[in-house]
Amino acid sequence: GQQVMQIPQYQHVQEGEDFTTYCNSSTTLSNIQWYKQRPGGHPVFLIQLVKSGEVKKQKRLTFQFGEAKKNSSLHITATQTTDVGTYFCAGGGGSYIPTFGRGTSLIVHP
Amino acid sequence: DGGITQSPKYLFRKEGQNVTLSCEQNLNHDAMYWYRQDPGQGLRLIYYSQIVNDFQKGDIAEGYSVSREKKESFPLTVTSAQKNPTAFYLCASSIEGSGFFYEQYFGPGTRLTVT
Repeated sequence: GQQVMQIPQYQHVQEGEDFTTYCNSSTTLSNIQWYKQRPGGHPVFLIQLVKSGEVKKQKRLTFQFGEAKKNSSLHITATQTTDVGTYFCAGGGGSYIPTFGRGTSLIVHP
Repeated sequence: DGGITQSPKYLFRKEGQNVTLSCEQNLNHDAMYWYRQDPGQGLRLIYYSQIVNDFQKGDIAEGYSVSREKKESFPLTVTSAQKNPTAFYLCASSIEGSGFFYEQYFGPGTRLTVT
């Protein structure tokens, strides 16, 4: 079935440094979503990308969808302690069931 | 105040007992999902339902059962056949889409511990 690989599994940064997590699929994705899960919490939807090469921004967060629609990235500029959590991508290839990546846990050191 | 509720937040059971986790939504969503989350494993799909009285197995359905008698409710039973039931269970709902998936709304989760 559909597989979505996400790297890295963990990332430690000093507050103020940038952070990037990557999602890759072996097959073309119809769309990709990003979620954030705070420690002890539940995943919360951040954004959805649909178009090839699409770039969306939410304040310090930049989301990209690859030209071939097989990869995506989430970049956070100047991390803050409030960014701590696990970031998941979820992709699908023509199904209404998304496949979640394993997530990247971001640890921000003040 | 729309959303998804799951109860209880923490659940403790003895090995060999079946246990049912509750999931209720008032978002008028057709699609509902159950995920299991283990450390470092991400979200793994147990069961999903597109419509009342219909549901399908996900990637790790063995040892679990569900029902969908009402649009608002999608309870999950963890049976004694599930070999490693201790985990964090998340319920979600979304608009049902054909060939496209929509934003998923997650409940707060139930942390099940079986000893």
